Amino acid sequence: IQLTQSPSSLSASVGDRVTITCRASQGVSNYFAWYQQKPGKAPQLLIYAASTLQSGVPSRFSGSGSGTDFTLTISSLQPEDFATYYCQQLGSYPRTFGQGTKVDIK
Amino acid sequence: QVQLQESGPRLVRPSETLSLTCTVSGSSITTYYWSWIRQSPGKGLEWIAYIYHTGNIDYNPSLKGRVTISLDTSRNQFYLRLSSVTAADTAVYYCVRHKSSDKGSYDQWGQGTLVTVSS
Repeated sequence: IQLTQSPSSLSASVGDRVTITCRASQGVSNYFAWYQQKPGKAPQLLIYAASTLQSGVPSRFSGSGSGTDFTLTISSLQPEDFATYYCQQLGSYPRTFGQGTKVDIK
Repeated sequence: QVQLQESGPRLVRPSETLSLTCTVSGSSITTYYWSWIRQSPGKGLEWIAYIYHTGNIDYNPSLKGRVTISLDTSRNQFYLRLSSVTAADTAVYYCVRHKSSDKGSYDQWGQGTLVTVSS
């Protein structure tokens, strides 16, 4: 299953609402996750089961969608949120990831 | 506190076998599913294989025939072997824990280890 993540990069300001989308080439139900990765670090799980916030993740992060279309929203961007975000489908093997969205400072 | 730590040679010669160990602490290896993931500039994040202590295993078809995953419950470790490596296998390799079943997302990651394939 191919995942098309968009945009590939975006520039935003602190306090902005940011939306990242991911489209799967086939339906994956809600077997879907979002990760955040900072330079030189391993990815960290933000959202699992498409819309469930991982423990310890701030509530400004939210996920939605089912089937083929998914969205990650950051309601009010904070300085620590500047990073690269990846989507992942877990509904079919092989598991696949999106190509990433780099969020940087405007 | 759960910790995963990758270890193994950082430099592997072309055509040889890459071998990595993931040492798990703070979590029993018999309770969860475990995977290897790699990240290279050219191909992004790529799932390699998963394993469960019952012997349930699956591999990415793109690497099938070259990859072997295994685990040792007595050591609380799991392993990756990738044979006949080329420069395309140069990547940061991560070991990860699945949150629940094999369909679970990855809630714990090792810090990653850069493996370079070069003569």
